[in-house]
Amino acid sequence: DVVLTQTPPTLSATIGQSVSISCRSSQSLLHSNGNTYLNWLLQRPGQPPQLLIYLVSRLESGVPNRFSGSGSGTDFTLKISGVEAEDLGVYYCVQSTHAPWTFGGGTKLELK
Amino acid sequence: QIQLVQSGPELKKPGESVKISCKASGYTFTDYAMHWVKQAPGKGLKWMGWINTYTGKPTYADDFKGRFVFSLEASASTANLQISNLKNEDTATYFCARGFRLFDYWGQGVMVTVSS
Repeated sequence: DVVLTQTPPTLSATIGQSVSISCRSSQSLLHSNGNTYLNWLLQRPGQPPQLLIYLVSRLESGVPNRFSGSGSGTDFTLKISGVEAEDLGVYYCVQSTHAPWTFGGGTKLELK
Repeated sequence: QIQLVQSGPELKKPGESVKISCKASGYTFTDYAMHWVKQAPGKGLKWMGWINTYTGKPTYADDFKGRFVFSLEASASTANLQISNLKNEDTATYFCARGFRLFDYWGQGVMVTVSS
């Protein structure tokens, strides 16, 4: 199974600060069809996860453009350019290139 | 608008069974696969598997083979998860999520508590 390792596990930020979260895969997430199926989710406290970014860098409809995704192969990054209070919660990467689909362990974003 | 509405919380004893539902609305149910995801208290997300809503064929992750059954009531745009012979470690919130590779819409989650 593909193992996704997220770092850091916890991130403290002030409002307006820019932060990055890393997701490293145990094998390449490039599918034979040319797509890389790496998504980012945010789970706010007491809420279900919501999709932020899919296919590495495509912003889901309605998601603010302060969120951006990048990367290729085995190394991926989620960046938040100017944290807002509503961004607090746990961020997960998830891969759907190789069955079984797997989630990263999560990165908790909290206020400093 | 697109919604996945799940059934209510459950309190069960070890050895009992539970069936939870996920009712979809706002889109054509059979156009999108449905995943099931487990979240134990205070823990991360774990993919349980998915069901092809067009054919009804389920696929289970290795840790969820045997006691877990995914099913459909396609006429009611509903996906179901049944867990038999419940164990304490099945205590968790169970989410349904839409889309074969996407996870673009999620249900609100169902808390299942297993306790004697």
